[in-house]
Amino acid sequence: EDQVTQSPEALRLQEGESSSLNCSYTVSGLRGLFWYRQDPGKGPEFLFTLYSAGEEKEKERLKATLTKKESFLHITAPKPEDSATYLCAVQPYSSASKIIFGSGTRLSIRP
Amino acid sequence: GAGVSQSPRYKVAKRGQDVALRCDPISGHVSLFWYQQALGQGPEFLTYFQNEAQLDKSGLPSDRFFAERPEGSVSTLKIQRTQQEDSAVYLCASSLEGRGLNTEAFFGQGTRLTVV
Repeated sequence: EDQVTQSPEALRLQEGESSSLNCSYTVSGLRGLFWYRQDPGKGPEFLFTLYSAGEEKEKERLKATLTKKESFLHITAPKPEDSATYLCAVQPYSSASKIIFGSGTRLSIRP
Repeated sequence: GAGVSQSPRYKVAKRGQDVALRCDPISGHVSLFWYQQALGQGPEFLTYFQNEAQLDKSGLPSDRFFAERPEGSVSTLKIQRTQQEDSAVYLCASSLEGRGLNTEAFFGQGTRLTVV
């Protein structure tokens, strides 16, 4: 069964304290892995798509990496405005339309 | 508008009532998705349209849920005889390309449905 597990469920960091969020996945053939950011009361906002193991993408203080079993979202020197829930999702080859989301990591950055 | 628009933003329904949730995707976007998001959880897939064709409805939880996109733009998700377990945020997303292509999906702000 295709599955996405994110850890930790919640993470509190001091401003400037770098860390990583984990996304472990089990899928019968990976078409793509996605990272989204979701603020309270809003829909998810697209961040990255990764397609193959070894691939990396960066955007401001965020960098996403991918292996055959997991993805990491590294956040470097975070700021309070980076506080949000970060969602990982996979699109399996078995379904071209369905994207399977994890439960997310709630990130809180203290000033 | 520039983004995906959903209405209403909030809906309170009495148990047994029928509701209709509307999604206006980004103009020209071929793909349209509906998701259900429970509190503290990630979105769960409900259904997918490519233009007016509903290509995947495997995520619809029961036959009380029905979605349509008759002209390939605006979509409506209808829930008949609502039950308390239907309470959730319903998200709509659209993307430019059709099925099988990994393109960025843009989400609306969602409709929060509360069944009392």
